[in-house]
Amino acid sequence: DAKTTQPNSMESNEEEPVHLPCNHSTISGTDYIHWYLQLPSQGPEYVIHGLTSNVNNRMASLAIAEDRKSSTLILHRATLRDAAVYYCILRDNFNKFYFGSGTKLNVKP
Amino acid sequence: DAGITQSPRYKITETGRQVTLMCHQTWSHSYMFWYRQDLGHGLRLIYYSAAADITDKGEVPDGYVVSRSKTENFPLTLESATRSQTSVYFCASSDRLGYTFGSGTRLTVV
Repeated sequence: DAKTTQPNSMESNEEEPVHLPCNHSTISGTDYIHWYLQLPSQGPEYVIHGLTSNVNNRMASLAIAEDRKSSTLILHRATLRDAAVYYCILRDNFNKFYFGSGTKLNVKP
Repeated sequence: DAGITQSPRYKITETGRQVTLMCHQTWSHSYMFWYRQDLGHGLRLIYYSAAADITDKGEVPDGYVVSRSKTENFPLTLESATRSQTSVYFCASSDRLGYTFGSGTRLTVV
């Protein structure tokens, strides 16, 4: 099963950009890269996803390495509401998600 | 209301009892999933279903049973609850673009 590796925690100052890295060296050619966030006592929420090209939406940007063995979630201006656990996930051909341990993002005012 | 709902929100049960966690979605998504999340850890896949009457095991299926007679419902049953099954259980549905998760069921086995 495809796996992802993320730092356990990261810290950012409010209104500064945040780059959350993810390694997925065993990714296959058809695996999509998804990012979800989880707030305390809630289910994970969708942030962004991509296959090969960089992606932008109103919440964040996703930068995917050319060899697809790593990716970075970019929050352009961190707010206190962005403090959460962020999961980098690979979705396989059977539409299954495999979660890693995630990165806990702390945002300092 | 459209969405995915789980019930109950909280459940305390005794070791050895059978307990069923319910999951209902209103989108008619083909795929549905059950995950468990232990304190301080990520989510682990228990079972998934690609369509009604089609289910398959995930990473940690032992001690759990699922069924899917209707597209919108995907109940998870613990046949004989053990303390190691104390966890938060999340149900999700998917439309091939991404998952939508329920709010979770916090299960405590005493």
